[in-house]
Amino acid sequence: QVVLTQSPSASASLGASVKLTCTLSSGHSTYAIAWHQQQPEKGPRYLMKLNSDGSHMKGDGIPDRFSGSSSGAERYLTISSLQSEDEGDYYCQTWVTDNRVFGGGTKLTVL
Amino acid sequence: EVQLAESGGGLVQPGGSLRLSCAASGFTFSTSSMNWLRQAPGKGLEWVANIKQDGSEKYYVDSVKGRFTISRDNAKNSLYLQMNSLRAEDTAVYFCAREKGYGSINGYNDYWGQGTLVIVSS
Repeated sequence: QVVLTQSPSASASLGASVKLTCTLSSGHSTYAIAWHQQQPEKGPRYLMKLNSDGSHMKGDGIPDRFSGSSSGAERYLTISSLQSEDEGDYYCQTWVTDNRVFGGGTKLTVL
Repeated sequence: EVQLAESGGGLVQPGGSLRLSCAASGFTFSTSSMNWLRQAPGKGLEWVANIKQDGSEKYYVDSVKGRFTISRDNAKNSLYLQMNSLRAEDTAVYFCAREKGYGSINGYNDYWGQGTLVIVSS
C-alpha cells in the first residue's frame, strides 16, 4: 500500500521561493504523483502531474512560477516569486487501479 | 471550460441517507472516469469512490464499502453518490472530480468541483 508523506507546514516570504516535498513510501519510488493546490475556502485545483524522471505536465493556466522535480522517492513542488494568493494547502496524490492516495497536505504561509 | 457542480448536501441524522449529484459540462463526460472525494472539517483530502467511463467498474475506500454507491448517467452528464447508513464521521465537504485517465494510467484528478457540505448529526 503506497503512502505519501508531506511536512505539515511551510513558510516563505513574499517574492521568495519555496520547495515543498512529497515522499513516496518504500518500494514505490517510481510512482508518478500529482500536485494540487487548495486556497482557503475553495475547492482543490490541479497543478501538475510529476513523473519519477522529473518531467511534468501542468494543468490549464498554471503559471510558470510553479515547477516540479524528482529525486528518488521524493517529489518536489517549487513555487518561485511567491504571491499572497499562493497561500493555502498543497496536496500530493498518487494512484493505483483500485485506490487514489493523498498525502496529508502542507499548509503554506506567505509571510 | 470544464465545470463540475455538486449539489445535494445538507444536514442528516445518523443512520440516514443522502444522494449527492454532480453536473458536468465543458468536456465529454462519457469518456471520463470520475471520482468522489471528501474533506472532513480541518482535515485533508480523502478519496471516496471511483467509477469507470461506462460505469462497468467501481471502487470504494474501505470505510464506505457497503454503504455508499457511486453511479453515473452519461446521457445527463451527471455523477451521483448515494450515501446510506450515514455516520458522524462521514461529515465532510464532498467533491466530484474528473480523472485524467483511468485507474493505474493517469488516475489523478485534473478538474475539481467546489464541493457540497454533508453534516451528519442528531
